[in-house]
Amino acid sequence: ETGVTQSPTHLIKTRGQQVTLRCSSQSGHNTVSWYQQALGQGPQFIFQYYREEENGRGNFPPRFSGLQFPNYSSELNVNALELDDSALYLCASSLDGPYSPLHFGNGTRLTVT
Amino acid sequence: GEDVEQSLFLSVREGDSSVINCTYTDSSSTYLYWYKQEPGAGLQLLTYIFSNMDMKQDQRLTVLLNKKDKHLSLRIADTQTGDSAIYFCAELAMNYGGSQGNLIFGKGTKLSVKP
Repeated sequence: ETGVTQSPTHLIKTRGQQVTLRCSSQSGHNTVSWYQQALGQGPQFIFQYYREEENGRGNFPPRFSGLQFPNYSSELNVNALELDDSALYLCASSLDGPYSPLHFGNGTRLTVT
Repeated sequence: GEDVEQSLFLSVREGDSSVINCTYTDSSSTYLYWYKQEPGAGLQLLTYIFSNMDMKQDQRLTVLLNKKDKHLSLRIADTQTGDSAIYFCAELAMNYGGSQGNLIFGKGTKLSVKP
């Protein structure tokens, strides 16, 4: 079975720009979650998608948005980038239900200059 | 509010046992997790324990849960240089009436294994 894959691996953007990060879920998983990991910190929950709808959101502003597609792949979009958005963005997939363990991809390293 | 705390660093010699500790605050947490992160990589799920268990063993890994003190530990037996990584403790936080859950992570413990 294939694991969670994310693209691109690295990205450099300028403050004020917009960015789209992509994620392919592990085979058979229908729930996807996105986390932001700042340098030296633990991951923080951004939001979760289940059956193409947002199913929970952390303390992130509306300029962080997402999509989940019928094949369960997902996108994270960030508008009006700020310097503090520089971080590792992790996608995790799981089976439905809150108790299924999350399986993470290797992340996208976003640098905002 | 929910918070997970871990010590930031641990250094051991190869072949010794490592014990990584974690405290959490949400007494209603049902599942607690340990993840491993190697440099430049994502998070690898190591093991998890349900809140009605005191202990779980999986090969070299032993998880101990003291629910009264909200204390979780991960013991790695016969620690190898390949175990050098950052280890994250996480608790499951339930939202939306229990239909959705997300993980609350600690800041991670950096384990260094010396030959």
